[in-house]
Amino acid sequence: GQQLNQSPQSMFIQEGEDVSMNCTSSSIFNTWLWYKQDPGEGPVLLIALYKAGELTSNGRLTAQFGITRKDSFLNISASIPSDVGIYFCAGQPMFSGGYNKLIFGAGTRLAVHP
Amino acid sequence: DTAVSQTPKYLVTQMGNDKSIKCEQNLGHDTMYWYKQDSKKFLKIMFSYNNKELIINETVPNRFSPKSPDKAHLNLHINSLELGDSAVYFCASSQGPNEKLFFGSGTQLSVL
Repeated sequence: GQQLNQSPQSMFIQEGEDVSMNCTSSSIFNTWLWYKQDPGEGPVLLIALYKAGELTSNGRLTAQFGITRKDSFLNISASIPSDVGIYFCAGQPMFSGGYNKLIFGAGTRLAVHP
Repeated sequence: DTAVSQTPKYLVTQMGNDKSIKCEQNLGHDTMYWYKQDSKKFLKIMFSYNNKELIINETVPNRFSPKSPDKAHLNLHINSLELGDSAVYFCASSQGPNEKLFFGSGTQLSVL
């Protein structure tokens, strides 16, 4: 089946540093979403992207929908301890019959050292 | 107010048992889902219902039977539980079948 390659798998950074993670696919996607999951909780939507080239910010978070429609990145600026968690990219394949068959990346585990 | 709530939070049971997980959403959404997250945190869709009608069934063993009594509820019944069923199961909902998902907090199922 279709897969998303999300990298890096994990990151350990100092508080205040900027973070960048990305997802790539071999096929075209209509939608890219970025979620964050805290321990013992479900994923929470951070940013949704719907058009190729779209650049969207949510506070210290910025995400872009790649021009080729096959990739997306998420940047976090000036990281703080509460940014700790697992970040997932998710994409809606172009040919999914109109139904929400989001495919998730394997996640980027972020640890922030105070 | 919890938007997507699922119960129980934790479920520990013996192999061979039958168990159910319940999900309710108060967002007024038309579409609900069940996702499975394995020990490596990989999330995969299992089922989706739109207005009580099954629209996605992703090659899940027929021991798993979803039921949607109304569009605000989607329950998951699992028969003859196996060790490999151990995972975290997430319920989710969206406004329509092609909209962004809102997740519940998960049910951690442990089969012994």
